[in-house]
Amino acid sequence: QKEVEQDPGPLSVPEGAIVSLNCTYSNSAFQYFMWYRQYSRKGPELLMYTYSSGNKEDGRFTAQVDKSSKYISLFIRDSQPSDSATYLCAMTFTGGGNKLTFGTGTQLKVEL
Amino acid sequence: ETGVTQTPRHLVMGMTNKKSLKCEQHLGHNAMYWYKQSAKKPLELMFVYSLEERVENNSVPSRFSPECPNSSHLFLHLHTLQPEDSALYLCASSQEFLNTGELFFGEGSRLTVL
Repeated sequence: QKEVEQDPGPLSVPEGAIVSLNCTYSNSAFQYFMWYRQYSRKGPELLMYTYSSGNKEDGRFTAQVDKSSKYISLFIRDSQPSDSATYLCAMTFTGGGNKLTFGTGTQLKVEL
Repeated sequence: ETGVTQTPRHLVMGMTNKKSLKCEQHLGHNAMYWYKQSAKKPLELMFVYSLEERVENNSVPSRFSPECPNSSHLFLHLHTLQPEDSALYLCASSQEFLNTGELFFGEGSRLTVL
């Protein structure tokens, strides 16, 4: 079993849709959860960063962590074509520093 | 130049060649990383340097040899590679290695081994 499972997609949605991207994980020690966005031919960039359980909102993006279910989500409201990218979840445990465990990434395409 | 810069962006090499990938960060960070990104696979951490000392070496074959001459520069020396080593090699930096924070990635070097 992989430590972090993420559906690779591709996921295609119409402009304006609400997008839900998810990861499940097996290591209950993970405490720090991140979402990175990677545009084609670019490196990943940090989109959202949360610690432990709960929600965090930033503009059209909401990150949600459910530690009891070992499940994290990224919601994108009013999706735009510019949101078309691959979204990578990443996580680590307290004391793990920046030694992150990544998911495979979900490729998202927002169609006009 | 700002952020993390990687050169070359594309590299094609034969199995007997020797080449190097270069990374430079202009962020004043103390930690630098090499990652391998292959299709449909998670990002794979290869090496980590913190204050120019190698702190992580994740069972990477010896045909990959990192070098960190100072905190701003990181190299990945390649020799006698295999076709399965074809991938996108990403360099990243962060303020510190031991404190969880943001990784800043370069655009990657796309390597093809013939």
